[in-house]
Amino acid sequence: QPVLTQPPSASASLGASVTLTCTLSSGYSKYKVDWYQQRPGKGPRFVMQVGSGGIVGSKGEGIPDRFSVLGSGLNRYLTIKNIQEEDESDYHCGADHGSGSNFAYVVFGGGTKLTVL
Amino acid sequence: EVQLVQSGAEVKKPGESLKISCQGSGYIFTDYWIGWVRQMPGKGLEWMGIIYPDDSDTRYSPSFQGQVTISADKSINIAYLQWSSLKASDTAMYYCARRGLYFDSWGQGTQVTVSS
Repeated sequence: QPVLTQPPSASASLGASVTLTCTLSSGYSKYKVDWYQQRPGKGPRFVMQVGSGGIVGSKGEGIPDRFSVLGSGLNRYLTIKNIQEEDESDYHCGADHGSGSNFAYVVFGGGTKLTVL
Repeated sequence: EVQLVQSGAEVKKPGESLKISCQGSGYIFTDYWIGWVRQMPGKGLEWMGIIYPDDSDTRYSPSFQGQVTISADKSINIAYLQWSSLKASDTAMYYCARRGLYFDSWGQGTQVTVSS
């Protein structure tokens, strides 16, 4: 199963842009990754899914247009433009293998704490 | 509206047993997998396992296999996570989440504290 690697922290100024990275381990370049946002003291919520070709399906409920994703090689990116105070959160990426009767596992990265300056 | 409502916080002693719950509403409970995710204090998310309530097909992360039991009662739309003998290292927040193509709806979390 893949290993997902995320930098532990990132920061950006109010109104600026930031790109968060989730890196798949070697051999898993075709895997899709799910991004989740977790605000302080709250549970996670789905942001969007990204494959090598970009977004897969729709954004999660209430996710603003300022959020976008991109996939390249082993990397899956989440970009936030015009950062707002409410974007200060932990961002987790996750990947799974299989579906239905072939479902095998889910793995998560370590999460990136985004600080808004 | 899809909702997953989890049982309340628990404080237990090492060696005690515990069963926490996750009740689904607003959708057909048997059409989706329900997963359990652990988050230890200040740490990331860890997938524990997942169950398909319609037939109770259950899959576990190797890290949690044998350590917990996941079950479901489809007659009352509830999924469970249980321990037979808690350890201090089980202190964490536990989330249930509905899985379609991804975890699209999450419970509010159940804080489990194990301390002597």
